Amino acid sequence: AQKVTQAQTEISVVEKEDVTLDCVYETRDTTYYLFWYKQPPSGELVFLIRRNSFDEQNEISGRYSWNFQKSTSSFNFTITASQVVDSAVYFCALLIIQGAQKLVFGQGTRLTINP
Amino acid sequence: GAVVSQHPSWVICKSGTSVKIECRSLDFQATTMFWYRQFPKQSLMLMATSNEGSKATYEQGVEKDKFLINHASLTLSTLTVTSAHPEDSSFYICSARGVGGNTIYFGEGSWLTVV
Repeated sequence: AQKVTQAQTEISVVEKEDVTLDCVYETRDTTYYLFWYKQPPSGELVFLIRRNSFDEQNEISGRYSWNFQKSTSSFNFTITASQVVDSAVYFCALLIIQGAQKLVFGQGTRLTINP
Repeated sequence: GAVVSQHPSWVICKSGTSVKIECRSLDFQATTMFWYRQFPKQSLMLMATSNEGSKATYEQGVEKDKFLINHASLTLSTLTVTSAHPEDSSFYICSARGVGGNTIYFGEGSWLTVV
């Protein structure tokens, strides 16, 4: 079965601190995609990144960076020099290509950046 | 980037009535659309997956006669909550996956309140 675990339910940091959101996934499939989405208080889900299972290169986009470690089945997300606008719930998700092709979400991590 | 539009954003209906929520992909053809439900401070729970021109596949525990899903075209899927009850009050959000694409974009979500 596929599963995504975000062990950190809530994180609170002071502005300008770096923060890492953890994501651990489980799947027996060899081909899959991993995603991170941001959900601000207004509710919409904002796509942040997609990574396929064959690409373990880390990625940096501005203050955001992602570390994909297939050996530990983790896809962690780091925000550098956090800002108040980063406050939101962040979801990690797993998409299995074969079969049902479902997008499975983690429980989400509520991130609060305090000024 | 790809845009998925959901309408209405907010709806209040009386208990026993039906309400329809639309999900449109605005600049791509969505072969697959997903409908999720999210209760406060919880993750997204997949309700059903719909493929254009075929019947939706419902997740276990989701009543298909209560939550009617229609995916009549490559750009439109609708979710109809029939005979709504207060316990159906929730945030409903759709997502769409394009032809040959493995990135999934989400609509803005619809807040349903049944009184």
